[in-house]
Amino acid sequence: QKEVEQNSGPLSVPEGAIASLNCTYSDRGSQSFFWYRQYSGKSPELIMFIYSNGDKEDGRFTAQLNKASQYVSLLIRDSQPSDSATYLCAVTNTGGFKTIFGAGTRLFVKA
Amino acid sequence: DAGVIQSPRHEVTEMGQEVTLRCKPISGHNSLFWYRQTMMRGLELLIYFNNNVPIDDSGMPEDRFSAKMPNASFSTLKIQPSEPRDSAVYFCASSSPGQGFGELFFGEGSRLTVL
Repeated sequence: QKEVEQNSGPLSVPEGAIASLNCTYSDRGSQSFFWYRQYSGKSPELIMFIYSNGDKEDGRFTAQLNKASQYVSLLIRDSQPSDSATYLCAVTNTGGFKTIFGAGTRLFVKA
Repeated sequence: DAGVIQSPRHEVTEMGQEVTLRCKPISGHNSLFWYRQTMMRGLELLIYFNNNVPIDDSGMPEDRFSAKMPNASFSTLKIQPSEPRDSAVYFCASSSPGQGFGELFFGEGSRLTVL
């Protein structure tokens, strides 16, 4: 079992729709959870982090965390073509000293 | 403020040659991470330093890989001898004492091709 699992996609949504990206993790002691966006040929960029169960909203982005289910998600409302990228889920291990990344989900937003 | 600076951006070398990748973290950041990204394996953590001290190098694939951080503003990742399977994009990232270890700022990466 991979430590952080994501559906590789691609996920294709029309412009203006909600994109839903999902991630599961195996380390029950994980405390910190992150979403990074990576455009093709570029480096990962942090867009959201969440530490507590529930929802956290930042503009068009909402991160959701359910530690009991070991599940993290990212919702992107009013998706734009500029949101087309690979979204990487990242989780710190027990102790919080190591950050493990999932393989990423490719998102395409069609104009 | 300048971000994480990596060099070289691109490196093409032949099998058996030594490769040295360099990184300058963001000033004030005390944690530094080296990651490798390939299509097959995704983004893998190779090693990380805290206050210039290597904390975990369990991700370093084998003895051909070594990393150093002689001071707070400079780190190197060396591969000797290089092999074609080392071809990847190598990212350096840093984080500050006030942030979690997962709040990483990445450099632009060094794309390594070993022929």
